Amino acid sequence: EAQVTQNPRYLITVTGKKLTVTCSQNMNHEYMSWYRQDPGLGLRQIYYSMNVEVTDKGDVPEGYKVSRKEKRNFPLILESPSPNQTSLYFCASSLEGGYNEQFFGPGTRLTVL
Amino acid sequence: DQQVKQNSPSLSVQEGRISILNCDYTNSMFDYFLWYKKYPAEGPTFLISISSIKDKNEDGRFTVFLNKSAKHLSLHIVPSQPGDSAVYFCAASATNDYKLSFGAGTTVTVRA
Repeated sequence: EAQVTQNPRYLITVTGKKLTVTCSQNMNHEYMSWYRQDPGLGLRQIYYSMNVEVTDKGDVPEGYKVSRKEKRNFPLILESPSPNQTSLYFCASSLEGGYNEQFFGPGTRLTVL
Repeated sequence: DQQVKQNSPSLSVQEGRISILNCDYTNSMFDYFLWYKKYPAEGPTFLISISSIKDKNEDGRFTVFLNKSAKHLSLHIVPSQPGDSAVYFCAASATNDYKLSFGAGTTVTVRA
């Protein structure tokens, strides 16, 4: 089954404790992206990757890191999480770019205390 | 500053009637527009898209209209069904830019 998976689905952590949210897709897509969803703000793009080893900032990259060492994986790293990073996070992938249909993962609900 | 705006946070419509969702954008470089639908506790799913070379695209009960001069697009759902109750996000992208900008979303409730 074609899908995007994210882990964990739910995470409660404390300020400053490094964490990684994993994302994997099995569709051989070139493009992958991370978004956060906040009430009243919709989805905002954090980082995206056009291909292996090629990443770029979205609209809200501060406080986040990403890497794309393999085509199928695109982890999101929070080196020192803060409460304002409490949000619902989605990973997505598509054939080429944001203008293509993107397939989204189920989301990761992160709470930073 | 958000480049894609959905000014109606919510819309309530009776089953069988038309739902019209609106979206405005400010970046004249945007040339691809997409609508995504999201149910609670799930990721968004792609619904329909349109490129700037067209002014209308239709897929079953869903039609998207694009007015480039007004920087406005709309999504029509006819007829509305209870399963259409969800949050709808408008999104826009430019050919030479891999970014995707989303609006804040419109929550549609279809009443029986």
